[in-house]
Amino acid sequence: EVQLVESGGGLVQPGGSLRLSCAASGFTFSNYWMSWVRQAPGKGLEWVANITPDGSDKYYVDSVKGRFTVSRDNAKNSLYLQMNSLRADDTAFYYCAREVTGRGIDPWGQGTLVTVSS
Amino acid sequence: EIVLTQSPATLSVSPGERATLSCRASQSVSNYLIWYQQKPGQAPRLLIYDASNRATGIPARFSGSGSGTDFTLTISSLEPEDFAVYYCQQRSNWPPYTFGQGTKLEIK
Repeated sequence: EVQLVESGGGLVQPGGSLRLSCAASGFTFSNYWMSWVRQAPGKGLEWVANITPDGSDKYYVDSVKGRFTVSRDNAKNSLYLQMNSLRADDTAFYYCAREVTGRGIDPWGQGTLVTVSS
Repeated sequence: EIVLTQSPATLSVSPGERATLSCRASQSVSNYLIWYQQKPGQAPRLLIYDASNRATGIPARFSGSGSGTDFTLTISSLEPEDFAVYYCQQRSNWPPYTFGQGTKLEIK
């Protein structure tokens, strides 16, 4: 069974940093693009970033460029999101998700909540 | 950036009836349009990819249609478990992938 389990969320002050992790299992992690998608409480979905299977290329939504960094460790079947200079509008559930080429984002993890507040 | 507009924002339908949800793109996305279902407290689930292809394990009552800028998700006969929020997403022109704002399907 394909599983994605996020961790690392929590309460952080504006301007602070947080690193999210995602542990993948049940599939050959190194073969897949991976994404982070976020959802502010009660709001819609926003794609944040993705990364190629070998980690050589990374793409971001404009609102996080220069502040967030996506990375992966294929030996550990893990995906990461380093978040710096956090702002109140970064408050959201952050989902780790696998991209299936030619299809879509499937599956999604259960999400981890990041709250940016003083 | 491609903007996706979903309508209506909320749709009230009785179980057993048909539901039709719309997604309109600000420019052509060809058929690279995806639909997801999200239930309260859960992560989204892939329903339909490339406008009309059901994902693995998705019941036949879910169907998608459209191309270019106008797309439709149809649920032919609503089951109790179908009441949820539905999002469309485009993968035609990225980054960024963009999502619609969602349609909440509620019980009438």
